[in-house]
Amino acid sequence: QQPVQSPQAVILREGEDAVINCSSSKALYSVHWYRQKHGEAPVFLMILLKGGEQKGHEKISASFNEKKQQSSLYLTASQLSYSGTYFCGTERGSNTGKLIFGQGTTLQVKP
Amino acid sequence: NAGVTQTPKFQVLKTGQSMTLQCAQDMNHEYMSWYRQDPGMGLRLIHYSVGAGITDQGEVPNGYNVSRSTTEDFPLRLLSAAPSQTSVYFCASSYVRQDYEQYFGPGTRLTVT
Repeated sequence: QQPVQSPQAVILREGEDAVINCSSSKALYSVHWYRQKHGEAPVFLMILLKGGEQKGHEKISASFNEKKQQSSLYLTASQLSYSGTYFCGTERGSNTGKLIFGQGTTLQVKP
Repeated sequence: NAGVTQTPKFQVLKTGQSMTLQCAQDMNHEYMSWYRQDPGMGLRLIHYSVGAGITDQGEVPNGYNVSRSTTEDFPLRLLSAAPSQTSVYFCASSYVRQDYEQYFGPGTRLTVT
């Protein structure tokens, strides 16, 4: 079953912050985050494992609440390059190879 | 390394025709997967494989077949194309480990008329 992402779309000005949420009705082992630019393939951002820590690089970070089966992606001081569609992918067990993605959140950053 | 390659990049089929989408990777990845992407639907898993000789169904397997005879290749077969299979198809691969990163191919845009 696909995880549910919210919001579906968000428009920001450069420098503003955004949060993208991902939730599942099933217990999760890991949550993966990817970004896709228009006409390109998705690119890996980060993975959060059950029992792991909050992760991040530069101004993009994420958290994983195992009890609520929810993850959030935080984009701070957004840049034009952050524009794209963000997908969360969820895995219910360790090393299953079965990654199920949400429907995506489109982020547009304007000057 | 070429990474994950997919052929063809574009394809137009008539309803009822069959074809095979090719996917190859040169990173010695154990995991390989096929996804389809439709507007508003995100990436939906069609079939996946955790190693040569092992395949399993994803969310939307109907109308598609796969096999994995080698570590490098994971072809996707459309048995009898239907307009509902018009989509962009992505192949992905990764190592088998807890914190794996999936590498996606450039995609194949398929139109069925």
